Amino acid sequence: ETGVTQTPRHLVMGMTNKKSLKCEQHLGHNAMYWYKQSAKKPLELMFVYNFKEQTENNSVPSRFSPECPNSSHLFLHLHTLQPEDSALYLCASSMGLAFGGATNEKLFFGSGTQLSVL
Amino acid sequence: SQQGEEDPQALSIQEGENATMNCSYKTSINNLQWYRQNSGRGLVHLILIRSNEREKHSGRLRVTLDTSKKSSSLLITASRAADTASYFCAIHTGANSKLTFGKGITLSVRP
Repeated sequence: ETGVTQTPRHLVMGMTNKKSLKCEQHLGHNAMYWYKQSAKKPLELMFVYNFKEQTENNSVPSRFSPECPNSSHLFLHLHTLQPEDSALYLCASSMGLAFGGATNEKLFFGSGTQLSVL
Repeated sequence: SQQGEEDPQALSIQEGENATMNCSYKTSINNLQWYRQNSGRGLVHLILIRSNEREKHSGRLRVTLDTSKKSSSLLITASRAADTASYFCAIHTGANSKLTFGKGITLSVRP
């Protein structure tokens, strides 16, 4: 166990559904991330939160809506998805940026949510 | 592209042999990291090498970094069937906690 828990592990949804992915970390970290992993493609960074503030939105379509109520929890709300959004969605956490930035951080990943959009 | 690019894409070796995987990149980096992913699971951090370091060891892992060639290699010695997984290099650039990953290398170790 890495200390990062994602639920659900698998999700099948239709294009008109609304669902949410949940991530919780028990490591006392202050930064949390959403990555998308599709077959044969590099991991795509979607969103970064540092101390609950969104610091990165990597041109993600608005049908993906992140929420970070506190440093331990991260959600990804999904609505009106497309079949090409089917992928493994990975949550990660790290110590987080203090003043001056952190340049040698490593990420701790959850096991991911395998999403299929029909 | 700011991502690392791994080479080869797939590698199949016999148990006991050494596995060498390479990563090339195009920008200046703060550090380079290697991660491992078992099928259907999340990534697990293996080792981090800073831009001012040339070599690091961790158990059966050896990582080298050549910033003049913008390349790194990961060597797994005396491989085991349990080393079968995908391996990713990730480069850390800029002043924020942004890691950019490559497509990964699929390593198969035959018993």
